Amino acid sequence: AQRVTQPEKLLSVFKGAPVELKCNYSYSGSPELFWYVQYSRQRLQLLLRHISRESIKGFTADLNKGETSFHLKKPFAQEEDSAMYYCALRGSGAGSYQLTFGKGTKLSVIP
Amino acid sequence: DAGVIQSPRHEVTEMGQEVTLRCKPISGHNSLFWYRQTMMRGLELLIYFNNNVPIDDSGMPEDRFSAKMPNASFSTLKIQPSEPRDSAVYFCASSPTGGFGGYTFGSGTRLTVV
Repeated sequence: AQRVTQPEKLLSVFKGAPVELKCNYSYSGSPELFWYVQYSRQRLQLLLRHISRESIKGFTADLNKGETSFHLKKPFAQEEDSAMYYCALRGSGAGSYQLTFGKGTKLSVIP
Repeated sequence: DAGVIQSPRHEVTEMGQEVTLRCKPISGHNSLFWYRQTMMRGLELLIYFNNNVPIDDSGMPEDRFSAKMPNASFSTLKIQPSEPRDSAVYFCASSPTGGFGGYTFGSGTRLTVV
């Protein structure tokens, strides 16, 4: 079974402060990990894939297989970063089509 | 491409009425997913289609829910009869076969059953 845990429901930081949104997963094989962002009442948008090893809007995330984590980080938070962030996992085996989402973390950046 | 298109954006209906939600996936995407989002349960996968065939409907909450995909460019999610606890945002998403590379989500349908 695959499971994604986002331990914080709400994270408040001041503008300019560093941000770390935590994501831990449970999966026996080699997963594909994603971060999605949902701005107020909008669609979920793909933010990052661990395979791409890219930085989007200043956010980065590194897959740590030893700690089974995929934390999302940004060195300096901006007000426009306020949104819901979802970590998601897709398995690697045959028939692994389903994205399993965490419950999400609401990031609030205080001006 | 206009992305994944869902209609209607908002739906308010009375308990007991039939509700039909619609989705047009991205052209060329072979996989289509219906998710339900609530405050209490987060994002739940309801059903997954691949090449228009339902592959996994284990997330469909009960027989009141049904989904179809008559062709590669259209899918419906129907609730009959609707109940207040069905109130949620329903998202449709599509992807290349098997969900590889992640999904593209539609804007969702906000359903309120009164």
